[in-house]
Amino acid sequence: DADVTQTPRNRITKTGKRIMLECSQTKGHDRMYWYRQDPGLGLRLIYYSFDVKDINKGEISDGYSVSRQAQAKFSLSLESAIPNQTALYFCATSRGRDNQPQHFGDGTRLSIL
Amino acid sequence: GNSVTQMEGPVTLSEEAFLTINCTYTATGYPSLFWYVQYPGEGLQLLLKATKADDKGSNKGFEATYRKETTSFHLEKGSVQVSDSAVYFCALSDTPQNTGFQKLVFGTGTRLLVSP
Repeated sequence: DADVTQTPRNRITKTGKRIMLECSQTKGHDRMYWYRQDPGLGLRLIYYSFDVKDINKGEISDGYSVSRQAQAKFSLSLESAIPNQTALYFCATSRGRDNQPQHFGDGTRLSIL
Repeated sequence: GNSVTQMEGPVTLSEEAFLTINCTYTATGYPSLFWYVQYPGEGLQLLLKATKADDKGSNKGFEATYRKETTSFHLEKGSVQVSDSAVYFCALSDTPQNTGFQKLVFGTGTRLLVSP
C-alpha cells in the first residue's frame, strides 16, 4: 500500500462546483502539505499543517481551504471551482524536524470545465 | 525571495550517455538542497540531498555537489538508462523569517528522455 494516498486520482467537474481532494498517510508524519503543479511553474505550496491544530497558508491559498481531520488525514477543498484551478495536485508529508525530505502522493489530476 | 533555476528541457539522450542537469539557486542563509524525480503518473520522490556546502549527495548512480561559491547543485549521472526517463526537480529548503517553518522551493523541472 502507498504511504501517502490521494483520492480521487482524476476528477473532471464544472465551474462553480465544490470539490474535495483527500489525502491520508501511514507514515506517522506530523507535517502535511498541499501543492499544485502546473506546466512550466513547478510545484507551488497551497497550504501546510504542522499538526492537527496548526494550519497555515502557503503562497497560493486563495480559492482553497483545508481541513486536518486527524494526524493522518489532510483534505483540500475548492469551494467554487474555476477553470484556472485545473492542475495536478499533490499531497506530501514530512517529519516534524528541519531538513527532512517530503514524501509525495501520486497526485490528483483535476480538470474544471 | 529564495528561488531555484533549472535548465529547460527536454533533455534528450541515448542510453549510456553522460547526464548533466543544471541547477542554480538564490538564497539567504544556508539552505539544504534536494533533487526530486517524478516518473510518469507518479508523485515526486526524493533522489538525493545535501545539507551544507561541499556535501555530495548520491543515489542510484546520480550525484550532485553543493557548491556555495557558484550557488549550484548540478545533477550528474555517468551512464543513463531508459528507465531514468522522468522529470527532475531541484529544490531548496527555505525558512521564511519568524515562521520557524522550513518549506521547499522548487525549480520548474527538467524532463529527461532517454532512448535505447
